[in-house]
Amino acid sequence: SSELTQDPAVSVALGQTVRITCQGDTLRGSYASWYRQKPGQAPLLVIYGRNNRPSGIPDRFSGSSSGDTASLTITGAQAEDEADFYCNSRDSSGNLVVFGGGTRLTVL
Amino acid sequence: EVQLVESGGGLVKPGGSLRLSCAASGFIFSIYRMNWVRQAPGKGLEWVSSISSDSTYIYYADAVQGRFTISRDDAKNSLFLQMNSLRAEDTAVYYCAREDYVRGAFDLWGQGKMVTISS
Repeated sequence: SSELTQDPAVSVALGQTVRITCQGDTLRGSYASWYRQKPGQAPLLVIYGRNNRPSGIPDRFSGSSSGDTASLTITGAQAEDEADFYCNSRDSSGNLVVFGGGTRLTVL
Repeated sequence: EVQLVESGGGLVKPGGSLRLSCAASGFIFSIYRMNWVRQAPGKGLEWVSSISSDSTYIYYADAVQGRFTISRDDAKNSLFLQMNSLRAEDTAVYYCAREDYVRGAFDLWGQGKMVTISS
């Protein structure tokens, strides 16, 4: 299967830790990348590879992977982290790209 | 400034055509794989197409295969998406996105351009 499955919505209390997951067979052989999208804005890469953050992304964002599941963890969630988060990877052929359905994070 | 800027969106009737452009600046455009990604209103991200740095490898999502054509002009630092036989379900914000071969991720996105298919 070339699908990536994400929980539609997750909530976290301000300052607490939240994990957002992405599941799919393609993740057994490749890493997921993670993107944050705020309303009316373009997506922004927050995690790529094994656990890498682009310049400017706070270190409270981290990534991990096990088997067919990739995870994005926000340690000490802030109000500004409220957004939609998407994972993506290439399929087993390496030719096509697949996105997860997205997870809406609410910071309470 | 490192950026991608899309242009060419608008309102088109079903069955019509439209060409999107994406102007790159501030980086060496020719060494990157480029992609188009779309987002229907209120929906998630959907990958549309990718083109390798040398235009050798081109791929499309099943939903647009045979109707859309991706291309690039490295001399003009530009990416294009020719969209034909447009359908209502093609209505979306279209983003161009740079893909870093090493990172394996879409590390730079344009601001997006709205394409509306309606009679």
